[in-house]
Amino acid sequence: EAGVTQSPTHLIKTRGQQATLRCSPISGHTSVYWYQQALGLGLQFLLWYDEGEERNRGNFPPRFSGRQFPNYSSELNVNALELEDSALYLCASSPLQGRSNQPQHFGDGTRLSIL
Amino acid sequence: AQSVSQHNHHVILSEAASLELGCNYSYGGTVNLFWYVQYPGQHLQLLLKYFSGDPLVKGIKGFEAEFIKSKFSFNLRKPSVQWSDTAEYFCAVKGGSGSARQLTFGSGTQLTVLP
Repeated sequence: EAGVTQSPTHLIKTRGQQATLRCSPISGHTSVYWYQQALGLGLQFLLWYDEGEERNRGNFPPRFSGRQFPNYSSELNVNALELEDSALYLCASSPLQGRSNQPQHFGDGTRLSIL
Repeated sequence: AQSVSQHNHHVILSEAASLELGCNYSYGGTVNLFWYVQYPGQHLQLLLKYFSGDPLVKGIKGFEAEFIKSKFSFNLRKPSVQWSDTAEYFCAVKGGSGSARQLTFGSGTQLTVLP
């Protein structure tokens, strides 16, 4: 089966711009999670979507937002980009809502660089 | 809030040496525990997981981990490492409640195996 796919692979922006990152989950997975992997800060949870709704968000400002589409793919939007937003953004998916003991499968990530 | 500690930031071993990477978590309730590995240039891959039952779990590539509830620990072990095990290893915890489906990651341990 195809894994979690993310696009673009690399995104270069300048301060103040807006970035959109995309994620397609594994077929049959309804939950999508976004994580930020910044240098020196490890992997931090950003957002969780399931069945089209935001279920939980991490400790990030409101300029980090997203959505999940009817086909379960997801977008992460980052507005008013700041230098510290430079990081690898990872998307993960897991199967059906309610089946909490399922592992998450990760994509290759989008490297966002802010100049 | 949930937290995960990986005390070893960088471990250097020779081939055939035994490996043990420490992981401690803070959540006192029911948890799901994971070890992920990130090989150079690749995405995060699941090594093994613990949900319930036998506290000694076996994963891929000869890795195993032991859940010790009284110590809030989930240490990763391998009796004899290979050069190809060079990678970054992340311990992750998921709380059992419905609002805590996201993973909380440790800061990671970089393992370098010398040939």
